[in-house]
Amino acid sequence: QVQLVQSGAEVKKPGASVKVSCKGSGYTFTDYYLHWVRQAPGQGLEWMGWIDTNSGATTYAQRFQGRVTMTKDTSINTVYMEMDSLTSDDTAVYYCARGVGGSHPDWGQGTLVTVPS
Amino acid sequence: QSALTQPASVSGSPGQSITISCTGTSSDVGGYNYVCWYQQHPGKAPKLVIYDVNKRPSGISNRFSGSKSGNTASLTISGLQAGDEADYYCSSYTSIVTYVFGTGTKVSVL
Repeated sequence: QVQLVQSGAEVKKPGASVKVSCKGSGYTFTDYYLHWVRQAPGQGLEWMGWIDTNSGATTYAQRFQGRVTMTKDTSINTVYMEMDSLTSDDTAVYYCARGVGGSHPDWGQGTLVTVPS
Repeated sequence: QSALTQPASVSGSPGQSITISCTGTSSDVGGYNYVCWYQQHPGKAPKLVIYDVNKRPSGISNRFSGSKSGNTASLTISGLQAGDEADYYCSSYTSIVTYVFGTGTKVSVL
């Protein structure tokens, strides 16, 4: 079965960067884009961007352009999401999700990133 | 890209039907049949319940149905059950090759 397993919780200081990983299994990794979605405490879902796991091409939501970098390592079926210049507003659970057509049927367990104010 | 607009809350009694709306623009909901709905219980990852406007993934009850008219999509839950109490989010592909989620709706079973 499809599984997406993410790295563990992080606590970062304001101004620092964080890198979250997402390892896929149970399917052909390079056949599907991987998306990143975040959810601040008590708030809704926010789409951040996607990475083509075959070519490495990326598309980011406008508000994250210049601050987020998504990369891949197909040798270990893993994608990464790195965010710079963290503030307390970036405190959230970060999810990776497999893209199938226009939907996201499979999600990672989420990674809590905390940036104390 | 602004979030799609959903009602903050919808409630119903067990066995009743409820409908959640999701309003966007011609650049997202109205322009593509890539509208999805996700159910999220507290502390859990979202779960896909409807994709491509009105298709159900394997294992999703036929009590969940989706539709779209113009720039507004809708999710209907019939035969409401206690386990349906959760947050629901719509999402859509957009004309600038991105995705956008709705503001979210809390469904309460009275």
